[in-house]
Amino acid sequence: RKEVEQDPGPFNVPEGATVAFNCTYSNSASQSFFWYRQDCRKEPKLLMSVYSSGNEDGRFTAQLNRASQYISLLIRDSKLSDSATYLCVVNIRYNQGGKLIFGQGTELSVKP
Amino acid sequence: DGGITQSPKYLFRKEGQNVTLSCEQNLNHDAMYWYRQDPGQGLRLIYYSQIVNDFQKGDIAEGYSVSREKKESFPLTVTSAQKNPTAFYLCASRRGGNEKLFFGSGTQLSVL
Repeated sequence: RKEVEQDPGPFNVPEGATVAFNCTYSNSASQSFFWYRQDCRKEPKLLMSVYSSGNEDGRFTAQLNRASQYISLLIRDSKLSDSATYLCVVNIRYNQGGKLIFGQGTELSVKP
Repeated sequence: DGGITQSPKYLFRKEGQNVTLSCEQNLNHDAMYWYRQDPGQGLRLIYYSQIVNDFQKGDIAEGYSVSREKKESFPLTVTSAQKNPTAFYLCASRRGGNEKLFFGSGTQLSVL
């Protein structure tokens, strides 16, 4: 079983749709969680950190469920510009520092 | 502006040749990382360094080498022992611990 697993894509949705991505992690020593966005052949960019109480940034909402060991990302009112690959990243306590584990990514394609 | 600079953007390697990818950051970050990304796949960790003059192997270190002589710099050498080097290479850094990761713009390495 992979340490971090994301919904397999691609997700093809019309503009204005609401779409949700899920990500599960297996290591209970996981301490912090992030969603990154990656456009084709570009570097990943931080979309949002994920906090225990859940957090929202405009059309984006992130949730964390420690008991079930999953995080989610909800995108409301999808725009064409939201088309990208979304990466779930988990930071695990490791050797007095942290070890970052990346999910394989979920591709989103928003159509007119 | 603070950031991470990777160079070159594109690099071609001849068979049997060693090539070095540059990564420089002026964010005063302690931790630096090298990742490899193959088409349609997630990021895999090659090497990381949590402090100057120290570095650790990641999940796919064979055929690669690194140095960390200065806090700002973490070059990656792809040696001739790496038989399948064609990939997108990403350098990243963070302050440490549970902090978020910042990425350079990547180097696309191809074999001639």
